Amino acid sequence: DIQMTQSPSSLSASIGDRVTITCRASQSISSYLNWYQQRPGKAPKLLIYAASSLQSGVPSRFSGSGSGTDFTLTISSLQPEDFATYYCQQSYSTWTFGQGTKVEIK
Amino acid sequence: EVQLVESGGGLVQPGGSLRLSCAASGFTFNSYDMSWVRQAPGKGLEWVSYISASTNTIYYADSVKGRFTISRDNAKNSLYLQMNSLRDEDTAVYYCARGRVSSDYWGQGTLVTVSS
Repeated sequence: DIQMTQSPSSLSASIGDRVTITCRASQSISSYLNWYQQRPGKAPKLLIYAASSLQSGVPSRFSGSGSGTDFTLTISSLQPEDFATYYCQQSYSTWTFGQGTKVEIK
Repeated sequence: EVQLVESGGGLVQPGGSLRLSCAASGFTFNSYDMSWVRQAPGKGLEWVSYISASTNTIYYADSVKGRFTISRDNAKNSLYLQMNSLRDEDTAVYYCARGRVSSDYWGQGTLVTVSS
């Protein structure tokens, strides 16, 4: 099974900060990597698919990069609505999610 | 508008059974692969099971293999998860999700609580 390791598990940031979350796969997954945002009590929301493609309707301050085993989600300027938990997901072989990164207000 | 609406959750004793349903609307259901994903209270997301659009391909997570059965009725635009031999650790919100390579639509989730 493919394991996904996200870091950090949590972070504190201020409005306007640039935030970077990383995700590492236990083996190469090409670009089969997605990023989701989940707010408390809500279903996950797709932000980035295929490592770097922005889902329709998602603000352009979100971006993704990487391929193979190392991936990054970047929020260029943190907004109040971005405080949430973020998950990476590999879909190369069934699905595996990272453990999540909680983004909190500093 | 695409909608996925789960139902069937509730309180069940360990060893019991429950059948979850996911009603789909707003898209051509028989063209999309579907999955179940769960989230234990305060924990992260865990993939549970996958079924292809034509039902030809089915996968399960090791944690539920042999106990859970995924199925779908394309004529009724519905996805199901039959859960048997339930354990305390199956307590979670269960989501249905559309898609195979990524999931652009998720239901609101249904809570399953396994407790005596």
